[in-house]
Amino acid sequence: GAVVSQHPSWVICKSGTSVKIECRSLDFQATTMFWYRQFPKQSLMLMATSNEGSKATYEQGVEKDKFLINHASLTLSTLTVTSAHPEDSSFYICSASWEGAFQGETQYFGPGTRLLVL
Amino acid sequence: GEDVEQSLFLSVREGDSSVINCTYTDSSSTYLYWYKQEPGAGLQLLTYIFSNMDMKQDQRLTVLLNKKDKHLSLRIADTQTGDSAIYFCAESLGGKLIFGQGTELSVKP
Repeated sequence: GAVVSQHPSWVICKSGTSVKIECRSLDFQATTMFWYRQFPKQSLMLMATSNEGSKATYEQGVEKDKFLINHASLTLSTLTVTSAHPEDSSFYICSASWEGAFQGETQYFGPGTRLLVL
Repeated sequence: GEDVEQSLFLSVREGDSSVINCTYTDSSSTYLYWYKQEPGAGLQLLTYIFSNMDMKQDQRLTVLLNKKDKHLSLRIADTQTGDSAIYFCAESLGGKLIFGQGTELSVKP
């Protein structure tokens, strides 16, 4: 149980284009989804937290207009990197959790999406 | 403040026990977690411990929590080459996870 998928698993795009990444909870309803960014050999950096049906809460230093997050249903959140540039190249990982889980605020992670902007 | 620290590397021989250590700073954490990340993959939840527990054992994994010293450890018994990965500890604060830098475990045959 508690499986989270991401699509695509990797994407290569040209500078200036927009890229959409999907995060799905497959066997549970996720009240909260999180988006992280990870640079090589580094820890995860939280970008934003999204709750179904409401606006995402972005961490300090993360551009809202650059990284658009939509959490339209209890099983799907999307991250759109708008006008991508080479410095946006990274590994993007989502996670999901649900209220009332006995283990508290446990997050279950997707497999990640590797973005390369040329 | 929020700060979780881990040593960056650990190397062990196959069959030995591995102990990965973690320190955290916020005593109000309710849950503490260990995640495993293999190359190019997401994070796999290994185990978690509630803050009022001292120890939790799950097959080859043993988690020890010293709340007074804010120290968390993960012991892997009979370490196998398949255990080679990066291990992250994390504390839960206000609905968010604060991660350590990750410990790269290398298991030599």
